[in-house]
Amino acid sequence: GAGVSQSPSNKVTEKGKDVELRCDPISGHTALYWYRQSLGQGLEFLIYFQGNSAPDKSGLPSDRFSAERTGGSVSTLTIQRTQQEDSAVYLCASSLGDRRRTEAFFGQGTRLTVV
Amino acid sequence: AQSVTQLDSQVPVFEEAPVELRCNYSSSVSVYLFWYVQYPNQGLQLLLKYLSGSTLVKGINGFEAEFNKSQTSFHLRKPSVHISDTAEYFCAVQAAGNKLTFGGGTRVLVKP
Repeated sequence: GAGVSQSPSNKVTEKGKDVELRCDPISGHTALYWYRQSLGQGLEFLIYFQGNSAPDKSGLPSDRFSAERTGGSVSTLTIQRTQQEDSAVYLCASSLGDRRRTEAFFGQGTRLTVV
Repeated sequence: AQSVTQLDSQVPVFEEAPVELRCNYSSSVSVYLFWYVQYPNQGLQLLLKYLSGSTLVKGINGFEAEFNKSQTSFHLRKPSVHISDTAEYFCAVQAAGNKLTFGGGTRVLVKP
């Protein structure tokens, strides 16, 4: 596609429920990243994919968070048993790949609110 | 590991005045440097990048930044701001593994 697409754009969920956030990267981009932006905070790295593998998942805050990528394309970030502190904007980005350090292109984000 | 420090969390500035946003980084390996802008309720957009070559980099919307290796800085400047420049600005570094590490952001509020 023309840009990085994230869905849903907004998600309100009850505490304790599971949520899935989806990211469609730019076609041909092999690298994919997830970041979290909490209110008034900077950008917190969560996980990085190269193809379908995740060489760096050091930013996942707890074992309630997981992510996968299939077919070298779409990625899903899953948060189990959501907590109020999970409320944030979740941003996805993609870039050309790990041997060409080009810029990352960001999606519009998914605003997650846990009530 | 890399780290990025943006020294000012908020910068108020009058329209048509100059602005400088400071960014310092720490890394034991060579890095690429970026500035991103986030307008209200929007995603991040690349303003400019330094990969190699000339240390003065020009970006979109009249912004420029200068890479200073000895001071490990990459400050962003604009000689005359507009109301539309009101946004949050993020400095980022990228090293091996392609992970972008961001600073905490600087909110710029342009006043008429």
